[in-house]
Amino acid sequence: NAGVMQNPRHLVRRRGQEARLRCSPMKGHSHVYWYRQLPEEGLKFMVYLQKENIIDESGMPKERFSAEFPKEGPSILRIQQVVRGDSAAYFCASSPGPGEATLGASGSQYFGPGTRLLVL
Amino acid sequence: GQQLNQSPQSMFIQEGEDVSMNCTSSSIFNTWLWYKQEPGEGPVLLIALYKAGELTSNGRLTAQFGITRKDSFLNISASIPSDVGIYFCAGREGGTSYGKLTFGQGTILTVHP
Repeated sequence: NAGVMQNPRHLVRRRGQEARLRCSPMKGHSHVYWYRQLPEEGLKFMVYLQKENIIDESGMPKERFSAEFPKEGPSILRIQQVVRGDSAAYFCASSPGPGEATLGASGSQYFGPGTRLLVL
Repeated sequence: GQQLNQSPQSMFIQEGEDVSMNCTSSSIFNTWLWYKQEPGEGPVLLIALYKAGELTSNGRLTAQFGITRKDSFLNISASIPSDVGIYFCAGREGGTSYGKLTFGQGTILTVHP
């Protein structure tokens, strides 16, 4: 499967616990984006990362949320001390960077299946 | 912040009918993308548009990048039951091919056999 992979697909946490969401981009893609979707709404941008760098985090809440995309391994979206309002679907998307001979056009973003987070 | 208005919010049509939906933005975009999302899944890219005035087809789907760069439409011809889903437009500001997308609110499409 050459697509964007996310795990887990479903995550249940109690208030105050930590949630870790993982995203493996399409093979050859070096740009990763995270979006959040509330029920019956469109997706809202959170953060844009390249390998080892955060490029744009203008959509990230100031507290409790962090993201990384290490040199090796998947991108991680981490939510500390979760609250009920964090319940949502979190989607990761990837795109190729300059000069990357991969699937897809550089201007397009390809989405994973999402992680549905439920905070009890 | 950026405003992207997508209409209609929902459509109920008979199989075989054509469908049209559109998006307008409050500022200029350099990229318009159209996605389809089914329950429990992530958005799937249908059509990507990169130039003002560009008209692109993908099977029964046709999309256009408005000349003003502030709007786009998607047409689906001869709809079939498997066209059911939520359709989202998304756009990108700025002068590069990278960066965040702003999404519309979605159009819920129901097709009656």
